Amino acid sequence: LAKTTQPISMDSYEGQEVNITCSHNNIATNDYITWYQQFPSQGPRFIIQGYKTKVTNEVASLFIPADRKSSTLSLPRVSLSDTAVYYCLGYTDKLIFGTGTRLQVFP
Amino acid sequence: DVKVTQSSRYLVKRTGEKVFLECVQDMDHENMFWYRQDPGLGLRLIYFSYDVKMKEKGDIPEGYSVSREKKERFSLILESASTNQTSMYLCASSPFTRSPELGEQFFGPGTRLTVL
Repeated sequence: LAKTTQPISMDSYEGQEVNITCSHNNIATNDYITWYQQFPSQGPRFIIQGYKTKVTNEVASLFIPADRKSSTLSLPRVSLSDTAVYYCLGYTDKLIFGTGTRLQVFP
Repeated sequence: DVKVTQSSRYLVKRTGEKVFLECVQDMDHENMFWYRQDPGLGLRLIYFSYDVKMKEKGDIPEGYSVSREKKERFSLILESASTNQTSMYLCASSPFTRSPELGEQFFGPGTRLTVL
């Protein structure tokens, strides 16, 4: 049974780099891993997607090791507005969201 | 901007009632999804549709059905609501992809359903 696990919560301070890791078993070689951000009273919002090594966009980086049993979302220099819940999404024969990591950024 | 709208933000129903949750997207997306979100469990896929009249079961389809008669509209139906279906329901859409996990899903604001 496919499963995706994340830390329940993380704390950080403004200006720091934050790394959130997701562990996922049974992710196939060519299946993508995606991360979403969710603020209270809103639906999740796409951050980044990739299936191997490293992907970077204007807001985050995604690291996927060769064994693909985990992925790490890296947020450079977080600000207060990055306080949110972050979800990883994997796929085997069905879409599997992680349980979410609540990131709290302090001034 | 892609816009996904859901018919209600809050809904209160009684056990045994038939409940319809409506979702409309305005970007001509082929894929549409229904999830439920519960504390500690994250988002769980109920049903997925990749075209009009086409549907696939997700992780937790029991107690739910769906309807997609038009491309822009995807309805979630609770045939006989039960208290364990009290939850936040999220609809999403995405452009056509060879596999549902590909591409960016655009989510609606959610409907918080309470079944008494």
